[in-house]
Amino acid sequence: KAGVTQTPRYLIKTRGQQVTLSCSPISGHRSVSWYQQTPGQGLQFLFEYFSETQRNKGNFPGRFSGRQFSNSRSEMNVSTLELGDSALYLCASSLGTDRSGRGKLFFGSGTQLSVL
Amino acid sequence: AQSVAQPEDQVNVAEGNPLTVKCTYSVSGNPYLFWYVQYPNRGLQFLLKYITGDNLVKGSYGFEAEFNKSQTSFHLKKPSALVSDSALYFCAVRRPISSGSARQLTFGSGTQLTVLP
Repeated sequence: KAGVTQTPRYLIKTRGQQVTLSCSPISGHRSVSWYQQTPGQGLQFLFEYFSETQRNKGNFPGRFSGRQFSNSRSEMNVSTLELGDSALYLCASSLGTDRSGRGKLFFGSGTQLSVL
Repeated sequence: AQSVAQPEDQVNVAEGNPLTVKCTYSVSGNPYLFWYVQYPNRGLQFLLKYITGDNLVKGSYGFEAEFNKSQTSFHLKKPSALVSDSALYFCAVRRPISSGSARQLTFGSGTQLTVLP
């Protein structure tokens, strides 16, 4: 079974631009979560999508948004980029129901975003 | 609210020696506890989890963790460390409920483990 795939692997943008990151979950997984990882803040939860609906949202500004398609693939968008948005963005998939896997997440390798 | 503390940013251990990476948690009710490992330029990989039952949980690559409810701890251990175990380790917690933001994993700040040859 293929793992979680994130594209692109690296991105360089300038302040004020917008960016879209993509995540393909493991086949059969209906939940996709996004995390931001920085050296200073660690791993912070952005949002989770399940069956095309945002199920949970972390404490990030509205510039961060996402969506999930019917095939469970997900995209994350950041508008009006700021220098502080430079981070590794990790996508994680799971079956999404509480009894299945009890919250075990499968992570992609991430997209390293640099904002100049 | 739920939280995780990993009190050590860095742990160094000699190859062949036992290793311990510490984790304490705070959560309402019974916790689901996890350990993940991250190698350079990679995502996180699942090591083990505690849901219920035996307090000693065995996971991948010879790792184990002991759940201690009275001390609210979930320390990661390995009897004999390998150089290849060098990586960043994250402890995580969530509540065993099916709705709301509390079902998301809350991660600790991570502990960099270095195993010296």
